[in-house]
Amino acid sequence: QVQLQESGPRLMEPSQTLSLTCSVSGGSISSASYYLTWIRQPAGAGLEWIGRIYTSGSTSYNPSLGSRVTISVDTSTSDFSLKLTSVTAADTAVYYCAGARDCTEDSCPLGWASDLWGQGTMVTVSS
Amino acid sequence: DIQMTQSPSSLSASVGDSVTFTCRASETIRTFLNWYQQKPGKAPTLLIYRASTLQTGVPSRFSGGGYGTDFSLTISGLQPEDFATYYCQQSYNMPLTFGGGTNVELK
Repeated sequence: QVQLQESGPRLMEPSQTLSLTCSVSGGSISSASYYLTWIRQPAGAGLEWIGRIYTSGSTSYNPSLGSRVTISVDTSTSDFSLKLTSVTAADTAVYYCAGARDCTEDSCPLGWASDLWGQGTMVTVSS
Repeated sequence: DIQMTQSPSSLSASVGDSVTFTCRASETIRTFLNWYQQKPGKAPTLLIYRASTLQTGVPSRFSGGGYGTDFSLTISGLQPEDFATYYCQQSYNMPLTFGGGTNVELK
């Protein structure tokens, strides 16, 4: 059974670059087409979609984050990662990786819904 | 961006009640509408995708419907484990967007 697990720093200072990794276990992402996303949730608030990547490497980002975000994938290690530059207190949130397998840009059995989720990692930005 | 509006933002109900809440998109999303359930301190879980298809393992008391801009999620006979927050998400256009959530509380 495929599982996702986020890892990365819990506490950051303003202006630093946040780097999070999502490790995919239970199945190699090099042997299937995965659709992998990052989503965040500030305390007591709703969900915000950050961006997505396919195992092909194709990416799409939320324009609300401008050019601060980069998502990448390493199929050899079944990891995918998020980088968010110039963080501020407004970036404080629980960050989730989520996704689905057997998805390409043209087709996805679940209509690009995410049935795989990590447990989330809390990131606090504070000086 | 496509705006997703859920209503109500919260509702109170009892075990055994049937409840329906809605999600409206600011423009047509055909049937690219997904529903997630989230319990406190946990990641969301997928309930329904493509507006009405139940995810594997989700109880049949959950049902979804709609097309275009108006969608609904119905829980027929609330169970204690159903008290949670429910989010809709459109996956028709980038950026994917979520509704603000409906919190189902125990009356």
